[in-house]
Amino acid sequence: DTGVSQDPRHKITKRGQNVTFRCDPISEHNRLYWYRQTLGQGPEFLTYFQNEAQLEKSRLLSDRFSAERPKGSFSTLEIQRTEQGDSAMYLCASSLGAGVGTGELFFGEGSRLTVL
Amino acid sequence: DAKTTQPPSMDCAEGRAANLPCNHSTISGNEYVYWYRQIHSQGPQYIIHGLKNNETNEMASLIITEDRKSSTLILPHATLRDTAVYYCIVRVAAYNQGGKLIFGQGTELSVKP
Repeated sequence: DTGVSQDPRHKITKRGQNVTFRCDPISEHNRLYWYRQTLGQGPEFLTYFQNEAQLEKSRLLSDRFSAERPKGSFSTLEIQRTEQGDSAMYLCASSLGAGVGTGELFFGEGSRLTVL
Repeated sequence: DAKTTQPPSMDCAEGRAANLPCNHSTISGNEYVYWYRQIHSQGPQYIIHGLKNNETNEMASLIITEDRKSSTLILPHATLRDTAVYYCIVRVAAYNQGGKLIFGQGTELSVKP
């Protein structure tokens, strides 16, 4: 399968612990996006990268959240000192570019986080 | 990016056409209309997009009104596997733009036997 892959698919953690999610985009896609989705809501934009540069961060991305894409390939999203409100599905997407014909986002299956 | 308005839910009989409406009255001239869907427990999936002309692909048809203030996604022969949340999104599609999608609440389509 050459789609967007995310790991782990499910994570259960205790409040206060740190968690890290990994996203492997479709190869040759230079844009990578992170979204968060809570039950019954549409996905909410968190941040995006063009190659290794993080170009935009949402207000939703508090100081406890950090995302990296060190070599312009895979990306990690780390949440420090998790809170119960962080429980959500974390979705990763990638695109070839942003123009018509290249800007369609391809999403992974998501990483579901449960904070106890 | 402009906002969209969609009905929260719709039902459709299997084998019939599903027509999902979307209002985007504040759309700008350089904004496209995109449709994505999300089947339960999966990531969103791209369906189709258009600027001002009607578009058709193997999944669906997109009808955009002449004034571009609304559009309709048509699934010509809905199957049970089309049960999903459908999102209508408007955004600028240009190589020098961010490219992010801003999702609303979408329409939950239930296809019934």
